[in-house]
Amino acid sequence: QVTLKESGPALVKPTQTLTLTCTFSGFSLTTTGMRVNWIRQPPGKALEWLARIDWDDDEFYSTSLKTRLTISKDTSKNQVVLKMTNMDPVDTATYYCVRSRDGYIEDYWGQGTLVTVSS
Amino acid sequence: DIQMTQSPSTLSASVGDRVTITCRASQSVYSWLAWYQQKPGKVPKLLISYASNLQSGVPSRFSGSGSGTEFTLTVSSLQPDDFATYYCQQYYTYLWTFGQGTKVEIK
Repeated sequence: QVTLKESGPALVKPTQTLTLTCTFSGFSLTTTGMRVNWIRQPPGKALEWLARIDWDDDEFYSTSLKTRLTISKDTSKNQVVLKMTNMDPVDTATYYCVRSRDGYIEDYWGQGTLVTVSS
Repeated sequence: DIQMTQSPSTLSASVGDRVTITCRASQSVYSWLAWYQQKPGKVPKLLISYASNLQSGVPSRFSGSGSGTEFTLTVSSLQPDDFATYYCQQYYTYLWTFGQGTKVEIK
């Protein structure tokens, strides 16, 4: 059974760095073709893809946010970590981690974690 | 980045209505197009992948069509459980992009 769960602070101050962890089970990020993505959704707004890390350590980032994002993985812990620097109130959103595979879109989402940016 | 544009943004309909939502891509995404349903406070649910492949467990009243730059999601007979927001998503490029959403409201 595939599960993913996001964890991290519910509240961060402007200019701080956000660190979110996706802890997953039911698959390995060492399996060929496996990928984990981060997607966010501001309250009442649309979904926005942020970043992806692949089984072979390839990393991909949103064009508009790539200077602020870093994605990494710890395969021994079955975790993917997303760091976003210089947080701003417009970054207030629910952040999701989502599994995908090469050539496939899948319906494996974490429950999401709401992050509020406020002083 | 590929831009995805959905229309309409809001749709008012009654139970039993046939409803169609359109999604247009700024360049061809071939058939690499997915549709999601999202209810308030819930995680998006994948309805359709590869433009027309209905996911397991999704009612057959949902269907998807199109290729290239124009796609549609159709609900043949709207049910009370279908009032929600729907998003299209392209996954042709590694940089996934989503439409702005279509809210289906009760008329």
